[in-house]
Amino acid sequence: QSALTQPASVSGSPGQSITISCTGTSSDVGGYNYVSWYQQYPGETPKLMIYDVTNRPSGVSNRFSGSKSGNTASLTISGLQAEDEADYYCSSYTSDTTLDVVFGGGTKLTVL
Amino acid sequence: QVQLVQSGAEVTKPGASVKVSCKASGYTFTNHAIHWVRQAPGQRLEWMGWINVGNGNTKYSQKLQGRVTITRDTSASTAYMELSSLRSEDTAVYYCARRFVRHFDYWGQGTLVTVSS
Repeated sequence: QSALTQPASVSGSPGQSITISCTGTSSDVGGYNYVSWYQQYPGETPKLMIYDVTNRPSGVSNRFSGSKSGNTASLTISGLQAEDEADYYCSSYTSDTTLDVVFGGGTKLTVL
Repeated sequence: QVQLVQSGAEVTKPGASVKVSCKASGYTFTNHAIHWVRQAPGQRLEWMGWINVGNGNTKYSQKLQGRVTITRDTSASTAYMELSSLRSEDTAVYYCARRFVRHFDYWGQGTLVTVSS
C-alpha cells in the first residue's frame, strides 16, 4: 500500500517554529487540495488539525498552519508549546483506484 | 454534539473473525460516509475502507479486499466493520471516522483487537 512520506521525527524548543513535510505524488498530494493533518497523543484518537491543505477547524490554535507546493504539503507549528508534543499524520485523497485515502507514516514531534 | 462510540476490545484467535460496531449520534447518520482506519502497535494509520451510509455502497483497500466487510444499520445509526481470517498482524486499534468532504472530522474512540493463539 502506497504511503505519503513524512520525516520520522522533528524537534524544537518552546517558542520556536517547526515544519513537518509530507511528500506524495501527482495522484494524491499534488493532484488535489485535499490534504489534512491529524494530531495524535499516545493512546488517544487522532484529532483533525488542518483540512483542505490550509483550513483550520474551529477550536484549533492559529499556531497551526498548512501549505502545499507541488507534491509536498507542510504543517507549520509556530510558538511551540509543550502540549504540541505528539505524533502528526498527514493524509490525502488519492485517485489510486485501490485506495481512497492515503496516510503518511507519521512524525513524532518532540518539544525540547 | 457529534459522537462515534465503538464497541469494546476483542481478543480473538488466528483464523477467526471480528466485528466492530460504531454508533453515531448528534447528526443525521445518512448524510456522511463512515470510514474505517486501523493502527497496529507503533505503526502508522492505515485506511481500510468506507461505506456510503445513504445507499450502502462500499469500497475497500485492495490489501484487505476479500477479508473486510463494512455494513450499516440506518435504523440504529450504527456502522460495522467485520474482518475475517484474522492473523497476528491484524492486531491493531480499529477506528471509525466520519468523513466530511475529504477529511475526517470526528473519530470513534478506537477498538483494540488482539489476535493471539
